[in-house]
Formats: sequence, structure tokens, C-alpha cells
Amino acid sequence: RKEVEQDPGPFNVPEGATVAFNCTYSNSASQSFFWYRQDCRKEPKLLMSVYSSGNEDGRFTAQLNRASQYISLLIRDSKLSDSATYLCVVDLTGTASKLTFGTGTRLQVTL
Amino acid sequence: DTGVSQDPRHKITKRGQNVTFRCDPISEHNRLYWYRQTLGQGPEFLTYFQNEAQLEKSRLLSDRFSAERPKGSFSTLEIQRTEQGDSAMYLCASSPGLAESNEQFFGPGTRLTVL
Repeated sequence: RKEVEQDPGPFNVPEGATVAFNCTYSNSASQSFFWYRQDCRKEPKLLMSVYSSGNEDGRFTAQLNRASQYISLLIRDSKLSDSATYLCVVDLTGTASKLTFGTGTRLQVTL
Repeated sequence: DTGVSQDPRHKITKRGQNVTFRCDPISEHNRLYWYRQTLGQGPEFLTYFQNEAQLEKSRLLSDRFSAERPKGSFSTLEIQRTEQGDSAMYLCASSPGLAESNEQFFGPGTRLTVL
């Protein structure tokens, strides 16, 4: 089993749709959780941190379920510019050191 | 630009040659990380520094790889006797090193092609 697991997609959705990505992680002691966005041939960029109570940033909502070791990202009202790969990222060690990345979920938003 | 910078952006080399990459972190970030990313995969951790101390190395970092951060600012990653399997994007990241958060900020990467 991978330490951080995501559905690679691709998810093809029309503009304006709502899309959700899920991710599971292996270590219950993990402390920090993030979603990063990566455009083709570019570096990953932090989209949002994921907090225990859940958090929202505009059209993006992230949730954490520690009991199920599960993280989600919801994108509402998808835009063409949301097309990218979304990486689920976890500090599995709980020591604020290295990050472990999922393989990423590719999103393609179409007209 | 006050972000993480990496040099060179692209490197093409022949098998068996040595290559060295440089990373300049965000100023005042005391943690610096190196990752490797291959096509269709997420970045994989290689090593990280807190100031000038190298605190952890992945088993992916064979003895042909060495990283330094001599003055606690910029870092170099050297690969000796390159192999075709070393072809990848090498990403550097930095973070403030706060205990309560591990947000890391990435540079643009160095894309290595070994012929």
C-alpha cells in the first residue's frame, strides 16, 4: 500500500461543475496535511493547508477525517484555469520534516 | 523575486559524467529540502537540511549523490557518474521550519536528462 494514495484520474469536467478529490494516508500519527497544485512542467505550488476542522478558501474546500485517515478537496464552479494536477501531501512523520506526496490527480476542465 | 531559485533549469549530460545543481532558498528559511520527480509521479523526498546540518537522507540517495549547505544558505546537489535512471526533475524547497506547520515552497526545478 502506498503511504499517500490518490486516484490519478484524469477527471474531465465541464466548466461550472463541482469536483471532489480524495486521498488516503497510511500513518495515523501524521500532523500536517496539504493540497498542492502542479501545472504541466512546473513546480508544485501550495494550494491550501488542511485543518482538522475543515477549511475553505473561495471555491476550494478541504476536509480531514483523522479516524479514516482521509483527506478531500472540493472545487466548486470549476474554471478552465483550474486544469492542473492536484497533489495530496502529508507530513507522515509528524515532525515537520519531509513531506510525502501522492501521485497526483489530474483535472481537465472543458468548455 | 524572493522565491526559491534553482540553477540550471535544464541540464543534459552523458552517462558517467558528474553534475551539480544549486538551490537558493527563500531568505530566512532555515530548512531546505531536495526532492526528485519523474513523469507521472509525485515528488519523492531525497534529503533535508536545518541550517547547515543535513538531518535526513532518503534511501533513494545512493552514494553517488551528495548534498551540502555549507553556510546554511544555498545548497548544492551533486550526482557523480550519472546513469540514465537519474533523469528526472530535481526540486528544491524551503520552509521557515516552524514546529506547527511544514508548508514548503518549491523552486522551478532542474530538469536533468542523462543520455
